[in-house]
Amino acid sequence: QVQLQESGPGLVKPSQTLSLTCTVSGDSISNSRYYWSWVRQPAGKGLEWIGRIFSTGRTHSNPSLKSRLTISVDTSKNQFSLKLTSVTAADTAVYYCARQRAPYYDSSGFWAWYFDSWGQGTLVTVSS
Amino acid sequence: QSVLTQPPSASGTPGQRVTISCSGSGSNIGSNTVNWYQQVPETAPKLLIYSNDQRPSGVPDRFSGSRSGTSASLAISGLQSEDEADYYCAAWDDSLNGPVFGGGTKLTVL
Repeated sequence: QVQLQESGPGLVKPSQTLSLTCTVSGDSISNSRYYWSWVRQPAGKGLEWIGRIFSTGRTHSNPSLKSRLTISVDTSKNQFSLKLTSVTAADTAVYYCARQRAPYYDSSGFWAWYFDSWGQGTLVTVSS
Repeated sequence: QSVLTQPPSASGTPGQRVTISCSGSGSNIGSNTVNWYQQVPETAPKLLIYSNDQRPSGVPDRFSGSRSGTSASLAISGLQSEDEADYYCAAWDDSLNGPVFGGGTKLTVL
């Protein structure tokens, strides 16, 4: 089955750039049925969708982060990456990469989608 | 503040049936399907229900979901101690062109 694994520094200084990579195994990142996404979770809080990328390189980001965010894909390595610039303490969170089923019309005619596989998550702390 | 609204906590005794609600708007739950995720502390979320009421392979039929209008709910019957976890609802939001989540409900099995 598909497995995702986040990697990157666990500590980033304020105003610097947070960089994470997700390595995918058990599926090709070029699989057209899926998007590849980032989700984060501050300690004790809920989940926030950060953004996604398709194998073609097409991306879509949460507007709240869009000006600071870059998501890229390396199909040769079966990896996708996140870069978040000008970080502050508010960016401290567990960051997850996840495989997202691309939206489709289900049997009831509704727009369906879901995250079906997640990485274990990596804690990134923003602190000097 | 989360886009979808869930109660912060819920509880029940073993064997009981509990429900968790999730409220949204026309741009998310009102026009798209709802998913539910279970998160045991210190682990990644796990897909529990997708497309309002569908269970992935391996999820017990004690878990069921429903959606009506701009609200959805998760029901857990025959509550077990291992069901103690945080539960999150999620829906596609047309305005965001991406998923939005509820704030999570912490389920305690008494």
